[in-house]
Amino acid sequence: DVKVTQSSRYLVKRTGEKVFLECVQDMDHENMFWYRQDPGLGLRLIYFSYDVKMKEKGDIPEGYSVSREKKERFSLILESASTNQTSMYLCASTPTDRGDQPQHFGDGTRLSIL
Amino acid sequence: GQQVMQIPQYQHVQEGEDFTTYCNSSTTLSNIQWYKQRPGGHPVFLIQLVKSGEVKKQKRLTFQFGEAKKNSSLHITATQTTDVGTYFCAGRTSGTYKYIFGTGTRLKVLA
Repeated sequence: DVKVTQSSRYLVKRTGEKVFLECVQDMDHENMFWYRQDPGLGLRLIYFSYDVKMKEKGDIPEGYSVSREKKERFSLILESASTNQTSMYLCASTPTDRGDQPQHFGDGTRLSIL
Repeated sequence: GQQVMQIPQYQHVQEGEDFTTYCNSSTTLSNIQWYKQRPGGHPVFLIQLVKSGEVKKQKRLTFQFGEAKKNSSLHITATQTTDVGTYFCAGRTSGTYKYIFGTGTRLKVLA
């Protein structure tokens, strides 16, 4: 069974801090994704990566960056946290192929920026 | 850009009633996936539809993909309290790994 693990379930940070959210998957999946989930807005894609050191912007990349130094790990970085980045962050992974595989999600990190 | 609209946003039903949620895409999709997120949980994959006009069933759940591959629906027959959660569709256009999620329909089932 695929396991996607996010480093923190809850996180509280201050405005202006640099914040790291970590995600690890144990199934050798090529593709990894970062979403944020807000009430009434569903899941919105921030960044995704289809290979080590490769990344592509999603729909809302502003204020975020990512790092994929190893295949199993995909990090989301808030360069200078702001209150409007308070949200639930979800990481997901899929194996490489034609793109029609299920996404396996982690449990999410609920991030509060004060 | 590509958009996926999902309606309704909320639905409260009495246990035993039926429930339907609809997704509409602004562009033709290569495939569409459906996910369920229980309260406090993460989205869990339910099913994928690929072919035009495709209908798939999972027990009391029926999924349809429109002929033009721009819309989809999920119908639950005789809801149970275990059906509570938020249902999301996620559509993908060809040539990309990226899925656009609908805004979700939050289902409450009253016993």
